[in-house]
Amino acid sequence: QLQLQESGSGLVKPSQTLSLSCTVSGGSFSSGGFSWSWIRQPPGKGLEWIGFIYQSGVTYYSPSLTSRVIISLDRSKDQLSLRLNSVTAADTAIYYCARVNLAKGRALDIWGQGTMVTVSS
Amino acid sequence: QSVLTQPPSASGTPGQRVTISCSGSSSNIGSNSIKWYQHLPGTAPKLLIYSNNERPSGVPDRFSGSKSGASASLAISGLQSEDEADYYCEAWDDSLNGSVFGPGTKVTVL
Repeated sequence: QLQLQESGSGLVKPSQTLSLSCTVSGGSFSSGGFSWSWIRQPPGKGLEWIGFIYQSGVTYYSPSLTSRVIISLDRSKDQLSLRLNSVTAADTAIYYCARVNLAKGRALDIWGQGTMVTVSS
Repeated sequence: QSVLTQPPSASGTPGQRVTISCSGSSSNIGSNSIKWYQHLPGTAPKLLIYSNNERPSGVPDRFSGSKSGASASLAISGLQSEDEADYYCEAWDDSLNGSVFGPGTKVTVL
């Protein structure tokens, strides 16, 4: 059973760059038929879609974040990454990586447990 | 403010049927499939329904989804205490060229 695990800096200063990684076990980011996504949940709020990346490297981002976000796949490390620059307190959230199942209407069918990121000086 | 609308809360007693609505527009639900997720605080969200009304393996048939036009709904029949959670709808939006989640509905089992 494929499992995802997020990791990265739990505390980021305002105006700096948030960097997270997502590693996979029981599978690979290169598996056909899937793409990979990042989602976040600010404290006390709902889920917010950040974006996703196809195997080809083509990315789609939330319009509200597109100027600050980069999602990438490192095939040599078999790792998914998220970079969000110029962060503010509004970027404080639990960040999840998830598998996008293209055969299931691009459903997010496997999620990581999430990692909390706090933006504070 | 989400482009998808859900009621903030819903409730029922054990064994009852609860329905959660998700309203959108022609650019999202009206032209793309809807997904539903169950989220218990502190855990990973779980896919309940994809392609409007399909259940992944392992999801009880107490959960069912439907879609009509630019609206969709999730029904939970035979409500159980473990169904107490937040439920989110999600759809691709052609105008935004991205995916959107509804604001979530908190289901309480009385």
